[in-house]
Amino acid sequence: SQQGEEDPQALSIQEGENATMNCSYKTSINNLQWYRQNSGRGLVHLILIRSNEREKHSGRLRVTLDTSKKSSSLLITASRAADTASYFCATERFGGATNKLIFGTGTLLAVQP
Amino acid sequence: EPEVTQTPSHQVTQMGQEVILRCVPISNHLYFYWYRQILGQKVEFLVSFYNNEISEKSEIFDDQFSVERPDGSNFTLKIRSTKLEDSAMYFCASSEGWGDLLEPQHFGDGTRLSIL
Repeated sequence: SQQGEEDPQALSIQEGENATMNCSYKTSINNLQWYRQNSGRGLVHLILIRSNEREKHSGRLRVTLDTSKKSSSLLITASRAADTASYFCATERFGGATNKLIFGTGTLLAVQP
Repeated sequence: EPEVTQTPSHQVTQMGQEVILRCVPISNHLYFYWYRQILGQKVEFLVSFYNNEISEKSEIFDDQFSVERPDGSNFTLKIRSTKLEDSAMYFCASSEGWGDLLEPQHFGDGTRLSIL
Protein backbone atom coordinates (compact mmCIF):
# COMPACT_ATOMS: atom_id res chain seq x y z
CA SER A 1 0.00 0.00 0.00
CA GLN A 2 1.08 3.54 -0.62
CA GLN A 3 2.82 5.06 2.35
CA GLY A 4 4.69 8.26 2.96
CA GLU A 5 7.63 8.29 5.26
CA GLU A 6 9.36 11.44 6.34
CA ASP A 7 12.81 11.86 7.70
CA PRO A 8 14.07 12.98 9.99
CA GLN A 9 11.35 12.25 12.53
CA ALA A 10 12.51 15.25 14.54
CA LEU A 11 14.69 18.21 13.70
CA SER A 12 15.96 20.98 15.96
CA ILE A 13 17.62 24.05 14.50
CA GLN A 14 18.44 27.64 15.40
CA GLU A 15 16.44 30.56 14.10
CA GLY A 16 17.83 31.74 10.77
CA GLU A 17 19.06 28.31 9.71
CA ASN A 18 17.54 26.28 6.91
CA ALA A 19 15.47 23.17 7.58
CA THR A 20 15.21 20.28 5.14
CA MET A 21 12.69 17.49 5.45
CA ASN A 22 12.41 14.49 3.16
CA CYS A 23 9.51 12.30 2.17
CA SER A 24 9.44 8.98 0.36
CA TYR A 25 6.46 7.14 -1.04
CA LYS A 26 5.81 3.84 -2.76
CA THR A 27 3.34 4.09 -5.64
CA SER A 28 2.75 6.37 -8.62
CA ILE A 29 1.17 9.67 -7.70
CA ASN A 30 -0.76 12.53 -9.27
CA ASN A 31 0.71 15.08 -6.90
CA LEU A 32 2.37 15.54 -3.56
CA GLN A 33 1.43 18.10 -0.97
CA TRP A 34 3.05 19.40 2.18
CA TYR A 35 1.05 20.36 5.24
CA ARG A 36 1.96 21.95 8.56
CA GLN A 37 0.31 21.10 11.86
CA ASN A 38 0.77 23.21 14.93
CA SER A 39 0.27 21.39 18.21
CA GLY A 40 -3.41 20.62 18.77
CA ARG A 41 -4.49 22.31 15.57
CA GLY A 42 -5.58 21.29 12.09
CA LEU A 43 -3.51 20.80 8.98
CA VAL A 44 -2.53 23.86 7.02
CA HIS A 45 -1.80 23.40 3.33
CA LEU A 46 1.63 24.73 2.37
CA ILE A 47 2.38 23.73 -1.19
CA LEU A 48 1.33 21.29 -3.90
CA ILE A 49 3.63 19.90 -6.56
CA ARG A 50 2.29 17.90 -9.48
CA SER A 51 3.91 14.74 -10.74
CA ASN A 52 5.20 16.48 -13.87
CA GLU A 53 6.90 19.24 -11.87
CA ARG A 54 10.36 18.99 -10.38
CA GLU A 55 10.59 22.05 -8.19
CA LYS A 56 8.27 24.65 -6.76
CA HIS A 57 8.75 27.73 -4.61
CA SER A 58 6.43 29.59 -2.29
CA GLY A 59 7.94 32.35 -0.19
CA ARG A 60 10.56 30.72 2.06
CA LEU A 61 9.48 27.23 0.99
CA ARG A 62 11.09 25.18 -1.73
CA VAL A 63 9.79 21.75 -2.66
CA THR A 64 11.43 19.27 -4.98
CA LEU A 65 9.98 16.09 -6.41
CA ASP A 66 11.89 13.19 -7.90
CA THR A 67 9.37 10.69 -9.25
CA SER A 68 12.11 8.28 -10.33
CA LYS A 69 13.20 7.98 -6.70
CA LYS A 70 9.67 8.45 -5.34
CA SER A 71 10.87 11.17 -3.02
CA SER A 72 10.30 14.82 -2.20
CA SER A 73 11.99 17.37 -0.02
CA LEU A 74 10.76 20.48 1.71
CA LEU A 75 13.25 23.24 2.41
CA ILE A 76 12.37 26.09 4.74
CA THR A 77 14.89 28.89 4.46
CA ALA A 78 15.74 31.44 7.14
CA SER A 79 13.63 29.63 9.70
CA ARG A 80 11.72 31.43 12.44
CA ALA A 81 10.50 30.31 15.84
CA ALA A 82 6.96 30.44 14.41
CA ASP A 83 7.90 27.66 11.97
CA THR A 84 7.96 25.23 14.91
CA ALA A 85 5.38 22.58 13.99
CA SER A 86 4.97 19.11 12.52
CA TYR A 87 5.32 18.87 8.77
CA PHE A 88 3.62 16.14 6.73
CA CYS A 89 3.83 15.12 3.14
CA ALA A 90 0.66 13.75 1.59
CA THR A 91 0.28 12.01 -1.73
CA GLU A 92 -2.64 11.60 -4.04
CA ARG A 93 -2.47 8.25 -5.77
CA PHE A 94 -2.39 8.09 -9.56
CA GLY A 95 -5.65 6.74 -10.95
CA GLY A 96 -7.48 6.93 -7.67
CA ALA A 97 -11.25 7.24 -7.50
CA THR A 98 -10.97 10.45 -5.52
CA ASN A 99 -8.18 12.68 -4.38
CA LYS A 100 -7.87 11.10 -0.96
CA LEU A 101 -4.59 11.97 0.65
CA ILE A 102 -2.16 9.45 2.09
CA PHE A 103 -0.13 11.13 4.80
CA GLY A 104 3.39 10.44 5.92
CA THR A 105 4.59 10.03 9.45
CA GLY A 106 5.67 13.65 9.79
CA THR A 107 8.73 15.59 10.86
CA LEU A 108 8.60 17.52 14.10
CA LEU A 109 10.53 20.74 13.57
CA ALA A 110 11.68 22.82 16.53
CA VAL A 111 13.20 26.21 15.77
CA GLN A 112 15.08 27.62 18.73
CA PRO A 113 15.03 31.43 19.06
CA GLU B 1 -9.93 33.76 4.34
CA PRO B 2 -12.74 31.18 4.39
CA GLU B 3 -12.12 28.20 6.60
CA VAL B 4 -13.52 24.82 7.55
CA THR B 5 -15.09 24.85 11.00
CA GLN B 6 -15.66 21.83 13.21
CA THR B 7 -17.72 21.39 16.34
CA PRO B 8 -17.32 20.45 19.07
CA SER B 9 -13.60 20.88 19.60
CA HIS B 10 -13.64 18.11 22.21
CA GLN B 11 -16.21 15.36 22.69
CA VAL B 12 -16.18 12.90 25.58
CA THR B 13 -18.49 9.90 25.18
CA GLN B 14 -19.13 6.64 26.94
CA MET B 15 -18.26 3.49 25.03
CA GLY B 16 -21.25 2.18 23.08
CA GLN B 17 -22.84 5.60 22.69
CA GLU B 18 -23.51 7.30 19.40
CA VAL B 19 -21.60 10.42 18.52
CA ILE B 20 -22.03 12.97 15.75
CA LEU B 21 -19.17 15.20 14.69
CA ARG B 22 -20.08 18.30 12.76
CA CYS B 23 -18.31 20.24 10.07
CA VAL B 24 -19.08 23.30 8.00
CA PRO B 25 -16.97 23.13 4.83
CA ILE B 26 -15.96 26.15 2.81
CA SER B 27 -19.08 27.35 1.05
CA ASN B 28 -18.16 26.92 -2.62
CA HIS B 29 -16.42 23.59 -2.13
CA LEU B 30 -17.92 20.45 -3.58
CA TYR B 31 -15.75 17.66 -2.20
CA PHE B 32 -15.74 16.70 1.44
CA TYR B 33 -13.56 14.37 3.49
CA TRP B 34 -13.08 12.96 6.94
CA TYR B 35 -9.70 11.91 8.29
CA ARG B 36 -8.63 10.81 11.71
CA GLN B 37 -5.40 10.90 13.66
CA ILE B 38 -4.88 8.61 16.60
CA LEU B 39 -2.52 10.17 19.11
CA GLY B 40 1.05 9.87 17.92
CA GLN B 41 0.11 8.25 14.61
CA LYS B 42 -0.41 9.26 11.00
CA VAL B 43 -3.39 11.11 9.66
CA GLU B 44 -5.61 8.43 8.05
CA PHE B 45 -8.23 8.83 5.36
CA LEU B 46 -11.73 7.73 6.31
CA VAL B 47 -14.14 8.79 3.57
CA SER B 48 -14.70 11.18 0.69
CA PHE B 49 -18.08 12.55 -0.32
CA TYR B 50 -19.33 14.25 -3.46
CA ASN B 51 -22.73 14.94 -4.93
CA ASN B 52 -24.49 13.58 -1.88
CA GLU B 53 -22.86 10.21 -1.94
CA ILE B 54 -19.71 8.50 -0.74
CA SER B 55 -16.99 8.50 -3.41
CA GLU B 56 -14.49 6.36 -1.57
CA LYS B 57 -14.06 4.94 1.90
CA SER B 58 -11.24 3.23 3.74
CA GLU B 59 -11.21 -0.07 5.59
CA ILE B 60 -11.59 1.90 8.82
CA PHE B 61 -14.94 3.25 7.67
CA ASP B 62 -17.05 0.23 8.58
CA ASP B 63 -20.78 -0.09 9.20
CA GLN B 64 -20.48 1.83 12.45
CA PHE B 65 -19.62 4.98 10.51
CA SER B 66 -21.84 7.11 8.33
CA VAL B 67 -21.68 10.54 6.76
CA GLU B 68 -24.39 12.95 5.81
CA ARG B 69 -24.84 16.37 4.31
CA PRO B 70 -28.20 17.19 5.88
CA ASP B 71 -28.43 20.68 4.42
CA GLY B 72 -26.45 23.01 2.21
CA SER B 73 -23.81 23.80 4.78
CA ASN B 74 -23.20 20.98 7.26
CA PHE B 75 -21.30 17.73 6.78
CA THR B 76 -21.50 15.21 9.61
CA LEU B 77 -19.73 12.05 10.67
CA LYS B 78 -21.70 9.66 12.85
CA ILE B 79 -20.28 6.78 14.82
CA ARG B 80 -23.14 4.55 15.89
CA SER B 81 -21.66 2.58 18.76
CA THR B 82 -18.33 3.96 19.82
CA LYS B 83 -15.38 1.80 20.84
CA LEU B 84 -12.33 2.71 22.87
CA GLU B 85 -10.22 2.55 19.71
CA ASP B 86 -12.33 5.29 18.12
CA SER B 87 -10.57 7.80 20.39
CA ALA B 88 -8.73 10.11 18.03
CA MET B 89 -8.68 13.56 16.49
CA TYR B 90 -11.14 13.71 13.62
CA PHE B 91 -10.50 16.18 10.82
CA CYS B 92 -12.94 17.40 8.24
CA ALA B 93 -11.62 18.74 4.94
CA SER B 94 -13.09 20.18 1.80
CA SER B 95 -11.84 21.05 -1.65
CA GLU B 96 -13.12 22.91 -4.66
CA GLY B 97 -12.16 20.29 -7.21
CA TRP B 98 -9.86 17.41 -8.03
CA GLY B 99 -8.27 15.77 -11.05
CA ASP B 100 -7.77 18.38 -13.74
CA LEU B 101 -9.44 20.88 -11.46
CA LEU B 102 -7.15 19.95 -8.61
CA GLU B 103 -7.30 22.21 -5.62
CA PRO B 104 -5.75 21.50 -2.24
CA GLN B 105 -7.84 20.22 0.60
CA HIS B 106 -8.53 22.66 3.43
CA PHE B 107 -8.74 21.20 6.90
CA GLY B 108 -10.61 22.19 10.03
CA ASP B 109 -8.99 22.28 13.45
CA GLY B 110 -10.46 18.91 14.33
CA THR B 111 -12.65 17.36 17.01
CA ARG B 112 -10.85 15.45 19.72
CA LEU B 113 -13.01 12.40 20.49
CA SER B 114 -12.38 10.66 23.80
CA ILE B 115 -14.16 7.37 24.47
CA LEU B 116 -14.36 6.31 28.11
